[in-house]
Amino acid sequence: ETGVTQSPTHLIKTRGQQVTLRCSSQSGHNTVSWYQQALGQGPQFIFQYYREEENGRGNFPPRFSGLQFPNYSSELNVNALELDDSALYLCASSRDRGINQPQHFGDGTRLSIL
Amino acid sequence: GQNIDQPTEMTATEGAIVQINCTYQTSGFNGLFWYQQHAGEAPTFLSYNVLDGLEEKGRFSSFLSRSKGYSYLLLKELQMKDSASYLCAVMGDYGQNFVFGPGTRLSVLP
Repeated sequence: ETGVTQSPTHLIKTRGQQVTLRCSSQSGHNTVSWYQQALGQGPQFIFQYYREEENGRGNFPPRFSGLQFPNYSSELNVNALELDDSALYLCASSRDRGINQPQHFGDGTRLSIL
Repeated sequence: GQNIDQPTEMTATEGAIVQINCTYQTSGFNGLFWYQQHAGEAPTFLSYNVLDGLEEKGRFSSFLSRSKGYSYLLLKELQMKDSASYLCAVMGDYGQNFVFGPGTRLSVLP
């Protein structure tokens, strides 16, 4: 069983740029959720995709957007990067919106904004 | 609103027992999860409670009281490798997904 994989592992960008992060869900999972984790804090929910549709969104501005593909992999896009966007971005996959079951996390993408 | 509280840091001795508390206020409740996260790594799933009571899994146990909005994670026979952050997460209304607490950083000393 292949686990959740994220790419790239690390990324350095400058303010105002755009970035795309990628996530491959675990085999058999149709739901992907994205989280932002600042240093020393718990993950903050960005949004969830279920069967290619957005299924919930946290308190993040519209410059954070996403996609889910027919194979259930997903992308997180962030436009007009700000210094505060520096964080670990985690992707988690599950079956059927993660109801009554755990989410499985990838190792994350460490994004640094200069 | 959604709010989850945990102690920021705890210290315990190898071989001892430690209890990490979590209190929550969320709109809706569809389960409480505990995750372990070593520095620089992904969170890994430890336990899940949706009904009141105790769930035991080897050295780890988790307890839930829905009426009190309270849970704890109990770690027995502590080992040095248990030094990590422990995240309490609640699934609220469907589509709201997980709300994570700030995490409790546990240091296990020899």
